[in-house]
Amino acid sequence: QGQLLQTGSELKKPGASVQVSCKASGYPFNTHGMNWVRQAPGQGLEWMGWINTNTGDPTYAQGFTGRFVFSLDTSVSTANLQITSLETEDTAIYYCARKNLLSDAFDMWGQGTLVTVSA
Amino acid sequence: TVLTQSPGTLSLSPGERATLFCWASQSVPNMFLGWYQQKPGQAPRLLIYATSSRAAGVPDRFRGSGSGTDFTLTISSLEPEDFATYYCQRYGTSPVTFGQGTRLEIK
Repeated sequence: QGQLLQTGSELKKPGASVQVSCKASGYPFNTHGMNWVRQAPGQGLEWMGWINTNTGDPTYAQGFTGRFVFSLDTSVSTANLQITSLETEDTAIYYCARKNLLSDAFDMWGQGTLVTVSA
Repeated sequence: TVLTQSPGTLSLSPGERATLFCWASQSVPNMFLGWYQQKPGQAPRLLIYATSSRAAGVPDRFRGSGSGTDFTLTISSLEPEDFATYYCQRYGTSPVTFGQGTRLEIK
């Protein structure tokens, strides 16, 4: 079983930075990759990339390089998403989603973190 | 791989059968096609993986099928809780892609 618990909503000004955390519980953290998915207001799901929770090696989707950084704090079973130089277009709900060990499908999702970027 | 879902919106009544389509721009191995359900204000939930395997706890009225570039999610008899948005997904390779979604609404 288990769950992914994300940090709460954030309101930021353009140019600022934000970190979204995703704490895993109920399963061995380093055995399942962690994905990040963005959902802009009223829009669909967009894959941002994933991080190998065993090696810490990140993979970024096109459009999510440079300002977006995936990291881990394995001591507390947490995956982090940092976004720098925030733009109003970054306003979205950000989800972490666990990669299933066998199928690779996203079998467990965090509840989502709303990041609002507004002057 | 670009995934195109059809229809964009589907209006049906409880008890009716729903058929949702997902077309891929290139062939997708069956083991890498999934379906997710998302209700307003909630995170997506995995329904189907590997084209036709139901995730844990998913009722058997949900059935996935297809191969190559054509995939289908069928809900045999709609329950009130099934009205939501459904996304297909190509995973297992980078980039992972999602379809744009089909909104299933109550008629």
